[in-house]
Amino acid sequence: GAVVSQHPSRVICKSGTSVKIECRSLDFQATTMFWYRQFPKKSLMLMATSNEGSKATYEQGVEKDKFLINHASLTLSTLTVTSAHPEDSSFYICSARVTSGYEQYFGPGTRLTVT
Amino acid sequence: GNSVTQMEGPVTLSEEAFLTINCTYTATGYPSLFWYVQYPGEGLQLLLKATKADDKGSNKGFEATYRKETTSFHLEKGSVQVSDSAVYFCALTPFTGTASKLTFGTGTRLQVTL
Repeated sequence: GAVVSQHPSRVICKSGTSVKIECRSLDFQATTMFWYRQFPKKSLMLMATSNEGSKATYEQGVEKDKFLINHASLTLSTLTVTSAHPEDSSFYICSARVTSGYEQYFGPGTRLTVT
Repeated sequence: GNSVTQMEGPVTLSEEAFLTINCTYTATGYPSLFWYVQYPGEGLQLLLKATKADDKGSNKGFEATYRKETTSFHLEKGSVQVSDSAVYFCALTPFTGTASKLTFGTGTRLQVTL
């Protein structure tokens, strides 16, 4: 149980375009989902906390207009990277917290490459 | 604030060697502690956890004991395998009952050779 999927697993896009990444909890409901960014050989940086039905809470230094987060249901959160630039290239990982607990379950990640 | 400090890697071991990856933390209250593993090109998988002092988390031959007196949660395995090669992250979350953010260490890369 407690499986989280991400789609797509890899995406290449051109500079200036927007890319949407989906995060789904497959077998549980997740009131809260988290979005992380991981740079090569670095730890995970929390970008934002996404709560179902409300606005996401962004960490300091993360541009909310660039990284749009929507958590429309208890099983789906999306991250849209708008007007992507090469410096947005990274590994994006989501996690979902079960409604009744505090443990987070991670998705397999999405590798974004902006050319 | 909360923080997690891990030993610098990479750690290179021969198969069947003993593994220790050190992790210490700073946190207010009584955090829960975790070890996550990340295999190449994949997301994080929870390896083990401990939620209170003196708890021992264990899984797949790995163990870690929550030591409040030394604020540590060192990861150990008695005999590593090549398949254990991965990056290991120590993490904590405060027991707030609300959206519990995870604070990660920088990760330690383990490479096991034949």
